[in-house]
Amino acid sequence: KAGVTQTPRYLIKTRGQQVTLSCSPISGHRSVSWYQQTPGQGLQFLFEYFSETQRNKGNFPGRFSGRQFSNSRSEMNVSTLELGDSALYLCASNREGASGELFFGEGSRLTVL
Amino acid sequence: DQQVKQNSPSLSVQEGRISILNCDYTNSMFDYFLWYKKYPAEGPTFLISISSIKDKNEDGRFTVFLNKSAKHLSLHIVPSQPGDSAVYFCAAKERGSTLGRLYFGRGTQLTVWP
Repeated sequence: KAGVTQTPRYLIKTRGQQVTLSCSPISGHRSVSWYQQTPGQGLQFLFEYFSETQRNKGNFPGRFSGRQFSNSRSEMNVSTLELGDSALYLCASNREGASGELFFGEGSRLTVL
Repeated sequence: DQQVKQNSPSLSVQEGRISILNCDYTNSMFDYFLWYKKYPAEGPTFLISISSIKDKNEDGRFTVFLNKSAKHLSLHIVPSQPGDSAVYFCAAKERGSTLGRLYFGRGTQLTVWP
């Protein structure tokens, strides 16, 4: 069973540019979440999508946005990149339910110069 | 504000001994807790979880203890192995929320030396 797939794995952008990251969840998983990991900060929740609807949003500025498609694949976009946006962006999927586990992808490492 | 806290950024343990990783939380609405392990350049992988209705859960070498009154949980690894060297994250879910929305600690770097 294929895991959560994220593309691209690594990318370098400059300040002011925008970036789009892609995530394909595990087959059958309809919930997709995004997290940002920066050094020493743990994982910060960005947003969660279910059935193409955003149902949870973390405390990030409006430059961070996302969407989910009918096949559950998800994208997140960061506009007007800042140096502080350099981070590992992790996508996770799970079966619907209140227990179990989140399955994470390997992440997209974004460097903003 | 950090609702899940891992106050030890690092822990060093000899192979074969017990590793104890600690986690504190402030939100009394948390009802489900998870531990994840992360190697460099990989995504976090699930280790073990515990519901707030329990105080202990065991899975092989890993045991998680939950003390609700102290708002504290710990992960015990016995015996520790060099392959356990990784960053360990504690995470929590709020009652009524979904599994996709977890609160994470900042992680503890565990090093197991021979």
